[in-house]
Amino acid sequence: RKEVEQDPGPFNVPEGATVAFNCTYSNSASQSFFWYRQDCRKEPKLLMSVYSSGNEDGRFTAQLNRASQYISLLIRDSKLSDSATYLCVGPPSGGYQKVTFGTGTKLQVIP
Amino acid sequence: NAGVTQTPKFQVLKTGQSMTLQCAQDMNHEYMSWYRQDPGMGLRLIHYSVGAGITDQGEVPNGYNVSRSTTEDFPLRLLSAAPSQTSVYFCASSYSGGASSEQYFGPGTRLTVT
Repeated sequence: RKEVEQDPGPFNVPEGATVAFNCTYSNSASQSFFWYRQDCRKEPKLLMSVYSSGNEDGRFTAQLNRASQYISLLIRDSKLSDSATYLCVGPPSGGYQKVTFGTGTKLQVIP
Repeated sequence: NAGVTQTPKFQVLKTGQSMTLQCAQDMNHEYMSWYRQDPGMGLRLIHYSVGAGITDQGEVPNGYNVSRSTTEDFPLRLLSAAPSQTSVYFCASSYSGGASSEQYFGPGTRLTVT
């Protein structure tokens, strides 16, 4: 099993819809997680950090479920500009400094 | 602040050639890393550094060398390019490193090896 797994999608949703992605992880020791957003042919940029129980920023909510070992990202009232790939960062693999990224979930918001 | 800069943006190499991808940051971050990104594979860690003079291998280090002589610079050397190294390469830096800190990425270098 991979250290961090994501559904690659694509998720095609209409404008205004609510959409959620999950990211499962296998190492239960990690204390912090992150969601990054990556636009086509661009570098990843931090979207949200997820500490303890979760985090909310406007239309975006990130949750951590330690019992089931996954983090989720909820996007409400989707905008066309939300179309991107969303990457999660999970527990390090083979050492604290070896950051592990998921393969990403692609979101396409349709007019 | 320029953040993290990478050069070149694009590069085409022939098999067997060597080259150095440059990465610099002006945020005084101790932690720097190199990733490659291939379709369907996500970001894979090549090498990382927790400070000047200290480097270590990531998930896919074969065929690549790094050094860290200053806090600002972290070049990645391809020793003998192979078609399997065709990829997009991202350099990143963070304040405290590891999985507990936000990473800032450079714009990437798109490398094609023929």
